[in-house]
Amino acid sequence: RKEVEQDPGPFNVPEGATVAFNCTYSNSASQSFFWYRQDCRKEPKLLMSVYSSGNEDGRFTAQLNRASQYISLLIRDSKLSDSATYLCVVRGSGGYQKVTFGTGTKLQVIP
Amino acid sequence: SQTIHQWPATLVQPVGSPLSLECTVEGTSNPNLYWYRQAAGRGLQLLFYSVGIGQISSEVPQNLSASRPQDRQFILSSKKLLLSDSGFYLCAWSVKLAGSEQYFGPGTRLTVT
Repeated sequence: RKEVEQDPGPFNVPEGATVAFNCTYSNSASQSFFWYRQDCRKEPKLLMSVYSSGNEDGRFTAQLNRASQYISLLIRDSKLSDSATYLCVVRGSGGYQKVTFGTGTKLQVIP
Repeated sequence: SQTIHQWPATLVQPVGSPLSLECTVEGTSNPNLYWYRQAAGRGLQLLFYSVGIGQISSEVPQNLSASRPQDRQFILSSKKLLLSDSGFYLCAWSVKLAGSEQYFGPGTRLTVT
């Protein structure tokens, strides 16, 4: 089983739609969780951290389910500019806190 | 604010040639530094990380090496490139705080021919 698994997509959604991505992780001792966005041929950029209680940033909502070991990202009112690959990132415990990236879910928002 | 620089942006090198990629961070001190590689259509693979000057840990055995000669400088090197070294090389930094996020540089796209 991969340490971090994501559906690669692509998710093709019309403008204004709501779309949700899930990500599962295998290490129950994982401590921190993030969503990054990566545009084509660009570096990943931090979208948001994921907190145990869930958190929202504008149209984006992130949720963490420790019991089932998954995190989710919900995008409401999709914009063309949301088209990108969304990377799930899990950070472990311990002195180094190993960071593991998922392979990403591709989103294409269609006019 | 913090800034991370990488150069060159693109590089085409023949098999067997040496490599040196440089990364520098501004606006912070004593960061953790990381080198990742992303092959075409693949996820990010951690190559090296460093918690301080001269302190390098390797995640994956390969023909690459890394050095940290100064607090905010991280260098990725190879003596002889392989075709399989082609990819998108990304440098990242984070603060030394549990659970902190990483911030990436713009990357170097390397093609080995």
